[in-house]
Amino acid sequence: TQLLEQSPQFLSIQEGENLTVYCNSSSVFSSLQWYRQEPGEGPVLLVTVVTGGEVKKLKRLTFQFGDARKDSSLHITAAQPGDTGLYLCAGARDYKLSFGAGTTVTVRA
Amino acid sequence: ETGVTQTPRHLVMGMTNKKSLKCEQHLGHNAMYWYKQSAKKPLELMFVYNFKEQTENNSVPSRFSPECPNSSHLFLHLHTLQPEDSALYLCASSPTSGRDQETQYFGPGTRLLVL
Repeated sequence: TQLLEQSPQFLSIQEGENLTVYCNSSSVFSSLQWYRQEPGEGPVLLVTVVTGGEVKKLKRLTFQFGDARKDSSLHITAAQPGDTGLYLCAGARDYKLSFGAGTTVTVRA
Repeated sequence: ETGVTQTPRHLVMGMTNKKSLKCEQHLGHNAMYWYKQSAKKPLELMFVYNFKEQTENNSVPSRFSPECPNSSHLFLHLHTLQPEDSALYLCASSPTSGRDQETQYFGPGTRLLVL
């Protein structure tokens, strides 16, 4: 049983469209990280959210941590081909991370 | 550049070979991790080291042997691997104090193919 469920598994959109990726769990986390990973490379940290209800913005990316600290979402506005990649969420408990299986995002030019 | 380097980036080995993966972090962190990433599966935590001491072995087969000589370096020694061990092996590090201590920073990984 996976601790963190990400949806959708795959997402293909046209440049300029918006997209949202979800990360859900029945467990409470002390913090949650979002990473982006490109083929053949390691995950690169995008953001850490810590407080329930917290919203963080990183240019066109908006991250939200659920009030109960069990879920999170990543919203990309006006997606660009450079946003293509595997998006991973990871929940932290007792200083250990549990990862979701990832959402593969493809932005077509 | 995340401050975590891994060598080699690619490795092909036979089942009877012995090889080692190396990880080095330049972030001043005291915790280091090995993960395995297989296709279509979540990252699997293998080992955790805090201040050079192993604090977690996630039921990893003994054909994988980690070594942490200091807080900046981490090795994964491989011997008599199986084809199903082919995967991307990722190293990560994190601080052990402060508000950032649950955030891990990853290296680029070693793509391992076992023939």
